[in-house]
Amino acid sequence: AQSVAQPEDQVNVAEGNPLTVKCTYSVSGNPYLFWYVQYPNRGLQFLLKYITGDNLVKGSYGFEAEFNKSQTSFHLKKPSALVSDSALYFCAVSRSEGGGNKLTFGTGTQLKVEL
Amino acid sequence: NAGVTQTPKFQVLKTGQSMTLQCAQDMNHNSMYWYRQDPGMGLRLIYYSASEGTTDKGEVPNGYNVSRLNKREFSLRLESAAPSQTSVYFCASLQGTGGNSPLHFGNGTRLTVT
Repeated sequence: AQSVAQPEDQVNVAEGNPLTVKCTYSVSGNPYLFWYVQYPNRGLQFLLKYITGDNLVKGSYGFEAEFNKSQTSFHLKKPSALVSDSALYFCAVSRSEGGGNKLTFGTGTQLKVEL
Repeated sequence: NAGVTQTPKFQVLKTGQSMTLQCAQDMNHNSMYWYRQDPGMGLRLIYYSASEGTTDKGEVPNGYNVSRLNKREFSLRLESAAPSQTSVYFCASLQGTGGNSPLHFGNGTRLTVT
């Protein structure tokens, strides 16, 4: 079985400071890893994905994530947070071989960026 | 380009009532999914359809049925609603079958069962 853990329910950061939202995963074989963002009363929007190759993945709105196979982690980062980044963030994993498209999501981390 | 459209946006049901949640995508995607979102539990897969004419159970299928009406439409039916089915329901779609494409989500249906 595959699983995702987002250990922090909420992350608070001041605008202009760097932010990190943590994610660890468990899956048999090689993972496909995703980050999605959800704004109030909206569906999830894709931010970035790791499929293979470079461990540092760059995505939308200045976000990036680092894949660490030994630590089974895929933390989301941004060098300088904006108030508009405040939202709910989900990490998700699927198996690369034979996993189809059955994503398993974490429980989400609420990011709050304050002035 | 509307993407994934879900109707209705909001619904209140009484225990035992039935309803169908509608979902349509205009991106010519092969695969479609129904998730439910509950506080503190993330998104859980109810049913999915890898292609037109096929459907499979996800993590939490009990109490639900689905129909892949054609390539565009994938509906979710609650035959006898229960308070435990109070949730936000999301439909999603994606192009391929290899697992490396991102999902495209609708804006959700907020269902309350009293």
